[in-house]
Amino acid sequence: AQSVTQLDSQVPVFEEAPVELRCNYSSSVSVYLFWYVQYPNQGLQLLLKYLSGSTLVESINGFEAEFNKSQTSFHLRKPSVHISDTAEYFCAVSDGNNDMRFGAGTRLTVKP
Amino acid sequence: KAGVTQTPRYLIKTRGQQVTLSCSPISGHRSVSWYQQTPGQGLQFLFEYFSETQRNKGNFPGRFSGRQFSNSRSEMNVSTLELGDSALYLCASTELAGVTGELFFGEGSRLTVL
Repeated sequence: AQSVTQLDSQVPVFEEAPVELRCNYSSSVSVYLFWYVQYPNQGLQLLLKYLSGSTLVESINGFEAEFNKSQTSFHLRKPSVHISDTAEYFCAVSDGNNDMRFGAGTRLTVKP
Repeated sequence: KAGVTQTPRYLIKTRGQQVTLSCSPISGHRSVSWYQQTPGQGLQFLFEYFSETQRNKGNFPGRFSGRQFSNSRSEMNVSTLELGDSALYLCASTELAGVTGELFFGEGSRLTVL
């Protein structure tokens, strides 16, 4: 089965600084990759996804992630963060068999 | 479209009791998945239902069970509750038969076991 490792459990950054949240996966088959965001007391919301095609995917709020097959990574980046980006971020992988596996999560804290 | 609805949002039980959680998926979505979220273990997959059939199951004891009805609504049940069952239980639905697309999550049911 596939698995996901998020390399940082907590990432504190100052407002307007760039940020990278790291995600590595393992799978013996082709995968689909996702980043979800969870705000306090809420469920998860899809931030962006890679299914096929261009390896660089973007979200509507300025985040982007690049699928790197050789390094089995799908790191999430944003060039300038806002206070409102403070949340927990989950990387997830699926092999298309109805079993999406999530990483342990990275808590992003943006400080003024 | 209404989102995924989970009830109840919060509940408190004591050890040994049982609990039933409900999930109404987005209209038209036929696949429902359940996850347990705890600070120590993160998000763990419980099971997935499609057209009233359990298609996949995570590594949880038999005390955890679920079912799906003909209208795609799903319930999960935990019997003989233990302190370690305290968690946020999340339900997610998708319209696609396979998990290649987006999972739509509810806000969760927070279970506290005393």
